[in-house]
Amino acid sequence: DAKTTQPTSMDCAEGRAANLPCNHSTISGNEYVYWYRQIHSQGPQYIIHGLKNNETNEMASLIITEDRKSSTLILPHATLRDTAVYYCIVRVPWSGGGADGLTFGKGTHLIIQP
Amino acid sequence: NAGVTQTPKFRILKIGQSMTLQCTQDMNHNYMYWYRQDPGMGLKLIYYSVGAGITDKGEVPNGYNVSRSTTEDFPLRLELAAPSQTSVYFCASSPDRSGEKLFFGSGTQLSVL
Repeated sequence: DAKTTQPTSMDCAEGRAANLPCNHSTISGNEYVYWYRQIHSQGPQYIIHGLKNNETNEMASLIITEDRKSSTLILPHATLRDTAVYYCIVRVPWSGGGADGLTFGKGTHLIIQP
Repeated sequence: NAGVTQTPKFRILKIGQSMTLQCTQDMNHNYMYWYRQDPGMGLKLIYYSVGAGITDKGEVPNGYNVSRSTTEDFPLRLELAAPSQTSVYFCASSPDRSGEKLFFGSGTQLSVL
């Protein structure tokens, strides 16, 4: 699976858009980009995923560059409840003979300021 | 709407003791996983299961055992607890083979003293 690079931490004002970057310069053609977040003392929560095209759901938008070497997760109107660690994960959907889950790095600690 | 349920939420063990962390899910998912998370770190996969009766090792399986006798339950057994096993343990399940859309439990905080 391709390696990802994320900033250690970021601040964002409440009500503004939070833009979380992720670099994955070694991504291969069949690898998807997944975003999860982990609110303090809870298990991670799935947010969104995509391959090439930009994606949007009720939680966030995912913008993937044309060369697919980086992506940005956008929380359009951040609230205090969005304070969490955000994980960017890149992998092929099928991993051969078994399902070996996802690899979670250290992620980005997003702090929403009131 | 229970989802993935883990018990206990907190536990303190003495070195050398054993215990079982319980995990059950009510979503009829075939795929289940155990992760551990050390302070300030990401999650590391301990064991996973692709269905009842089938389990396999993840990245850090030493010191742990699992079983999967039913679709719903995936207990994690710690034998001879060591301080290095102090961590937060998360169980997760997934509806499909890829494991991308993982549903996590609320975690078990374990301290070995």
